Amino acid sequence: KNEVEQSPQNLTAQEGEFITINCSYSVGISALHWLQQHPGGGIVSLFMLSSGKKKHGRLIATINIQEKHSSLHITASHPRDSAVYICAAQNNAGNMLTFGGGTRLMVKP
Amino acid sequence: DVKVTQSSRYLVKRTGEKVFLECVQDMDHENMFWYRQDPGLGLRLIYFSYDVKMKEKGDIPEGYSVSREKKERFSLILESASTNQTSMYLCASSLSLGKDIQYFGAGTRLSVL
Repeated sequence: KNEVEQSPQNLTAQEGEFITINCSYSVGISALHWLQQHPGGGIVSLFMLSSGKKKHGRLIATINIQEKHSSLHITASHPRDSAVYICAAQNNAGNMLTFGGGTRLMVKP
Repeated sequence: DVKVTQSSRYLVKRTGEKVFLECVQDMDHENMFWYRQDPGLGLRLIYFSYDVKMKEKGDIPEGYSVSREKKERFSLILESASTNQTSMYLCASSLSLGKDIQYFGAGTRLSVL
């Protein structure tokens, strides 16, 4: 069973700052997911990646398979980016996700 | 856009009641999932289904059952609700297992008194 660790647990930033959230996992995976959860509970999938880097707007996700590590970067952060960011490791069979504990991000204006 | 709809946002039930949580998706997705989310424990998979009438246990299936009679609908059943099943329940769906992102519903916050 995968173990997924995220850091930091909580992060406060000023608007405009560059933000990095880290995710480490302990065993082999077929893909790594990044999710965003806003207050009220709704979850949105941001990225699914198995190698390299993906970019969508101000969000960038990277993964290093050898080091079993992924990062989510937010450039030019904005208060609307305030949310909980969750990484999830997909097992080799592709049928289950194991979730990290989440990083609670607050971006102050 | 994919829409995953959960029948209730908030639900209050009594211990011992049979509880049905319903989830419907409108994009003809093969796979559907039920998770629960608890503070300090994060999201955990209860059950998933990769086809009509097919189901697989997740990490925490005890105390739950599921039903998938139609492709678009996946129901989570608490046969006899207990207070430790008070939680946020999230449904999700995906097109191709292991190859696509999951689309989540808004969640149902269940309180068992």
